[in-house]
Amino acid sequence: NAGVTQTPKFQVLKTGQSMTLQCAQDMNHEYMSWYRQDPGMGLRLIHYSVGAGITDQGEVPNGYNVSRSTTEDFPLRLLSAAPSQTSVYFCASSYSNPLAAGVADTQYFGPGTRLTVL
Amino acid sequence: AQSVAQPEDQVNVAEGNPLTVKCTYSVSGNPYLFWYVQYPNRGLQFLLKYITGDNLVKGSYGFEAEFNKSQTSFHLKKPSALVSDSALYFCAVRDPGGGADGLTFGKGTHLIIQP
Repeated sequence: NAGVTQTPKFQVLKTGQSMTLQCAQDMNHEYMSWYRQDPGMGLRLIHYSVGAGITDQGEVPNGYNVSRSTTEDFPLRLLSAAPSQTSVYFCASSYSNPLAAGVADTQYFGPGTRLTVL
Repeated sequence: AQSVAQPEDQVNVAEGNPLTVKCTYSVSGNPYLFWYVQYPNRGLQFLLKYITGDNLVKGSYGFEAEFNKSQTSFHLKKPSALVSDSALYFCAVRDPGGGADGLTFGKGTHLIIQP
């Protein structure tokens, strides 16, 4: 198993540009999510999905878009990049939905994408 | 709303000494608690979790954590630190009742083990 994979590892954008961060998992996990990591702020949830065709917003969704057409893939789109979106982005997956009652599944994280917006 | 506090930005420990990384939480009811570790330029890796039962939880790489309900704490410990333990450690909490808050992470603690 490759686990959770993310591409690219590094990206530099200019303000206003758009791009898609790719995330894929081969563990047949239903739940997938995107976090951003900023110094001194821990991880903050951007968007999540509880299955193909179902997505929802997390804590900091503005400026980002997601879709989930397959169980395996969960891309994150930046519609018009801003310097405030400079961050490290992590994709994560788990077998069950951690938002559901009684679920304590381990989340598996990808290696991250380091994004700089100039 | 649930929250996690990691009061120390950085912890320095000499190799071979015991280490403790502190975590306190706030959640309604009994919590689910997690520790993750992040090595440089890597994603987060699961270390251990507390769901119910024994307050002392053992995890990967010789780490353990003790759930203390009265102090609302879940400190990470290891009896003898290794230089390779140097990394960024995150505590996380969630409400077993579910909800949109999902998993809430602390800000992280840099653990530096000095040879």
